[in-house]
Amino acid sequence: DVKVTQSSRYLVKRTGEKVFLECVQDMDHENMFWYRQDPGLGLRLIYFSYDVKMKEKGDIPEGYSVSREKKERFSLILESASTNQTSMYLCASTKPLGAEAFFGQGTRLTVV
Amino acid sequence: SQKIEQNSEALNIQEGKTATLTCNYTNYSPAYLQWYRQDPGRGPVFLLLIRENEKEKRKERLKVTFDTTLKQSLFHITASQPADSATYLCALESAGNMLTFGGGTRLMVKP
Repeated sequence: DVKVTQSSRYLVKRTGEKVFLECVQDMDHENMFWYRQDPGLGLRLIYFSYDVKMKEKGDIPEGYSVSREKKERFSLILESASTNQTSMYLCASTKPLGAEAFFGQGTRLTVV
Repeated sequence: SQKIEQNSEALNIQEGKTATLTCNYTNYSPAYLQWYRQDPGRGPVFLLLIRENEKEKRKERLKVTFDTTLKQSLFHITASQPADSATYLCALESAGNMLTFGGGTRLMVKP
């Protein structure tokens, strides 16, 4: 059974903390994505990686960075968490070009 | 700017009827268009993919059309059931592999 696994289901952090969200896939997929989902706004792309150490900014990269040191792992970093980063974060992976995306279960992050 | 638009209002239909959801886009040249289903508190699940040179794709009770001239895709669920109630998302994949989603449309099928 193919899997995309996010490290935490629920997370509560304080304003100003550095936050790491981890995502691991076991399908040898080249592409990995981080999205955030807020009511009424759908899934918004934060960052995309198409290979190890390669990344591209999505629609809303401000306040975030990413790391992809190994093919199976894609990390989202909030350098200094703020309350407006409270959201559901979803990781996904795909093979290149015309392949379905597999999503993790999501991490609901609350910044207080 | 690039936009993917889905009807943000919920679609309410009676069981047994055909549900039709719309996805419109601007300033994209997608190589592929995909549809996903999302249940509350869960990640989206893939349903169908259609290529830019395909007009229509079917899978069981699902049908997707793709009109690159109108820049529109229609997603149909025939003989709808209460279990089809969910949010449905369209996603565009450009040649650069980036997968971008619309805001989704919530479908409610009433018994």
